[in-house]
Amino acid sequence: GAGVSQSPSNKVTEKGKDVELRCDPISGHTALYWYRQRLGQGLEFLIYFQGNSAPDKSGLPSDRFSAERTGESVSTLTIQRTQQEDSAVYLCASSARGLAGGSYNEQFFGPGTRLTVL
Amino acid sequence: DAKTTQPPSMDCAEGRAANLPCNHSTISGNEYVYWYRQIHSQGPQYIIHGLKNNETNEMASLIITEDRKSSTLILPHATLRDTAVYYCIVRKNSNTGKLIFGQGTTLQVKP
Repeated sequence: GAGVSQSPSNKVTEKGKDVELRCDPISGHTALYWYRQRLGQGLEFLIYFQGNSAPDKSGLPSDRFSAERTGESVSTLTIQRTQQEDSAVYLCASSARGLAGGSYNEQFFGPGTRLTVL
Repeated sequence: DAKTTQPPSMDCAEGRAANLPCNHSTISGNEYVYWYRQIHSQGPQYIIHGLKNNETNEMASLIITEDRKSSTLILPHATLRDTAVYYCIVRKNSNTGKLIFGQGTTLQVKP
């Protein structure tokens, strides 16, 4: 079946511009995550949505970053007034809600959006 | 969540077993060990996870020491396509929740 998709695959923008990155999770997955990966680095958690609960925004690096999710479907990550240090690959992942007993649910990652801020 | 320590890089000959170590000496009783890998230019991929018993699936085996302070991911017959960064992550089990990635181990499988 279809996996997590992200668009665009590549985005080049000028410093100070706003950008929107899109994530389409796997159908039926209630949890959605955004991560950032700078060149040569590991993944940094940004934000996490779970159903109708308040999102966990603890990883957002500044108030220039925001994200929305429509129900249990598409999510958009917005970066306002982009800076050169925002250049990175932005990865989205989704997972299914587990059983009441707390079983782990594998996170499925998309291919990422490579953002370059000039 | 407990922190993990992994060697930054390892080499393995094609067809041989790759043994990737992870130290998690501060792991607590309700924390699991998870392994993901990231092949170049792709998103991370789940491999396996475990609590205290050894686990095996079609991709790999996970060996956790009795005191749970360290573990080893084993790829029994490494191929060139197994070249990737391997991340060991320790976290409490829950239905959902963020993953905290470290720097991982870059495994280079050589012909």
